[in-house]
Amino acid sequence: GQQVMQIPQYQHVQEGEDFTTYCNSSTTLSNIQWYKQRPGGHPVFLIQLVKSGEVKKQKRLTFQFGEAKKNSSLHITATQTTDVGTYFCAGSGSGNTGKLIFGQGTTLQVKP
Amino acid sequence: NAGVMQNPRHLVRRRGQEARLRCSPMKGHSHVYWYRQLPEEGLKFMVYLQKENIIDESGMPKERFSAEFPKEGPSILRIQQVVRGDSAAYFCASSPPSGLGEQFFGPGTRLTVL
Repeated sequence: GQQVMQIPQYQHVQEGEDFTTYCNSSTTLSNIQWYKQRPGGHPVFLIQLVKSGEVKKQKRLTFQFGEAKKNSSLHITATQTTDVGTYFCAGSGSGNTGKLIFGQGTTLQVKP
Repeated sequence: NAGVMQNPRHLVRRRGQEARLRCSPMKGHSHVYWYRQLPEEGLKFMVYLQKENIIDESGMPKERFSAEFPKEGPSILRIQQVVRGDSAAYFCASSPPSGLGEQFFGPGTRLTVL
């Protein structure tokens, strides 16, 4: 079945450093979404990418969707302590049924 | 405008008992999804429902688990004869009638099986 892999599993950075998490799917995706989950909390939607090669920015966050629509990345510039949490990518397959397959997540720790 | 509501937030059951988890989607949302999350793992899709219909249950274990979304009332995820391995956080999400795009997650139900 469809699988979505995400690396790294954990990342510790000093406040002000950059951070990137990568997501790869075993199959072509119709779209990819990114969510953030704070410790003890629930996933909160960040963004959705639909088009091949799409790049979207939200302040210090940059999201990319690969040309083949099988990989994606999230880059955070100049991390802050408020960025702490687990970042998940979630892919929707070609059937586009609304079902999401989540990656394992990357947990970001930021040292002040 | 209330978000997705789930109750109970915490549920403790002994092995062999039944667990019922409830989810009320956001107002105007007709699509409900259930996910399970084990500690320090990602979310695993379980089931996708619309009112009175199961659209995709490919992630549901074949036995002991069932889900419904009746015409009136919340969606229910039911786990019969719980075992320790069922201990997890169960999240419900909802989305607008298109069924595409952003999913809005509830706060989750943390199930502990003793």
